[in-house]
Amino acid sequence: EPEVTQTPSHQVTQMGQEVILRCVPISNHLYFYWYRQILGQKVEFLVSFYNNEISEKSEIFDDQFSVERPDGSNFTLKIRSTKLEDSAMYFCASPRGARSTDTQYFGPGTRLTVL
Amino acid sequence: KQEVTQIPAALSVPEGENLVLNCSFTDSAIYNLQWFRQDPGKGLTSLLLIQSSQREQTSGRLNASLDKSSGRSTLYIAASQPGDSATYLCAVPQGDSWGKLQFGAGTQVVVTP
Repeated sequence: EPEVTQTPSHQVTQMGQEVILRCVPISNHLYFYWYRQILGQKVEFLVSFYNNEISEKSEIFDDQFSVERPDGSNFTLKIRSTKLEDSAMYFCASPRGARSTDTQYFGPGTRLTVL
Repeated sequence: KQEVTQIPAALSVPEGENLVLNCSFTDSAIYNLQWFRQDPGKGLTSLLLIQSSQREQTSGRLNASLDKSSGRSTLYIAASQPGDSATYLCAVPQGDSWGKLQFGAGTQVVVTP
């Protein structure tokens, strides 16, 4: 089965520092998503990315967040100045096929801890 | 605004029993519904995807039904095993954004040997 990979698996940072979370989606996928899950809470949508630009973002995705596809394989989420409340699991996802409605494959997640 | 609810929040059953997990959603105009499994501290594994035109979908011991008119989906896991212990999440697309998923809080399942 195809696999989405994410690095690092765990990131510890100090409040105010910048972090970059990396994802390698399944090759040839067109749509990419970031979600996050604060401990004990629901998985929440952050941002969707299609055709090298943001197609939609949630209220959580403020100016401190940005996404990039710096090359043909990586997909990154950057948090410029981390806050304590950014501590969460961050998941990258992409649908199986060319349609956004196909089965979504999620990566294993990056656990971000902000101290 | 779409709301997704999963009841119960937790469930414990002895091995061999059938599991019944419920998911309800407030806006019945959904394109599809997905069930995921999440192991502690891990990512989400897609189990089944039911299109809005389907009434059910099966994969091995798993069967998911969908009743759009009543805003409900049920995941059945037959003959449960300790390896089925995990949190099960359902998710539906948010509004017109079909790839943007709205998740329920999940049902945490423990299957005891």
